[in-house]
Amino acid sequence: DTGVSQDPRHKITKRGQNVTFRCDPISEHNRLYWYRQTLGQGPEFLTYFQNEAQLEKSRLLSDRFSAERPKGSFSTLEIQRTEQGDSAMYLCASSWGQGSLEAQYFGPGTRLLVL
Amino acid sequence: GNSVTQMEGPVTLSEEAFLTINCTYTATGYPSLFWYVQYPGEGLQLLLKATKADDKGSNKGFEATYRKETTSFHLEKGSVQVSDSAVYFCALSDWGSGGSNYKLTFGKGTLLTVNP
Repeated sequence: DTGVSQDPRHKITKRGQNVTFRCDPISEHNRLYWYRQTLGQGPEFLTYFQNEAQLEKSRLLSDRFSAERPKGSFSTLEIQRTEQGDSAMYLCASSWGQGSLEAQYFGPGTRLLVL
Repeated sequence: GNSVTQMEGPVTLSEEAFLTINCTYTATGYPSLFWYVQYPGEGLQLLLKATKADDKGSNKGFEATYRKETTSFHLEKGSVQVSDSAVYFCALSDWGSGGSNYKLTFGKGTLLTVNP
């Protein structure tokens, strides 16, 4: 078990550019989550996949954000036309469950800075 | 909606002191409760959890008891070490009233610094 991995760990971009982040969950986990964390705050939920299906999206996820999980394995989070307010830590988590309220395991995060 | 309120930090203690970090919650259903820890430069790690009333989660000397009557899940440790210095997050996961709802709702976090 190598844990949840995320790539890149850091990303600096200019306003208006597109960025894409990748998350590789723990291999046997069927659920995958994206959260955003800003300085001094707890993580806030963005979206959730069960296998390849995206089952829930937060109102925080504007139409500039899109997430995919092809084949129910890794996931990508893309932000189009980045804005300075998108600067944050983007966290991925995964879990295994069949309806129980199981714990989520987090990756190290991707820190985004939009200049 | 769901919410989690943690005591505000920072909390500064001497080594071997007793630690309490208060956490209270509001939930529409019957949540599971978690404590996560974030060490400097690292990702969130699950510290402990409890899934029903009166359950006690414990790990690495930390404990928290699910108190439904007071909607609380306070984190305690009898003797802290310098290596416990980190940010601690209380969180809940709730089915909610609309069916499946797997997201975690976090508190703002409490920074703990333990001095030798």
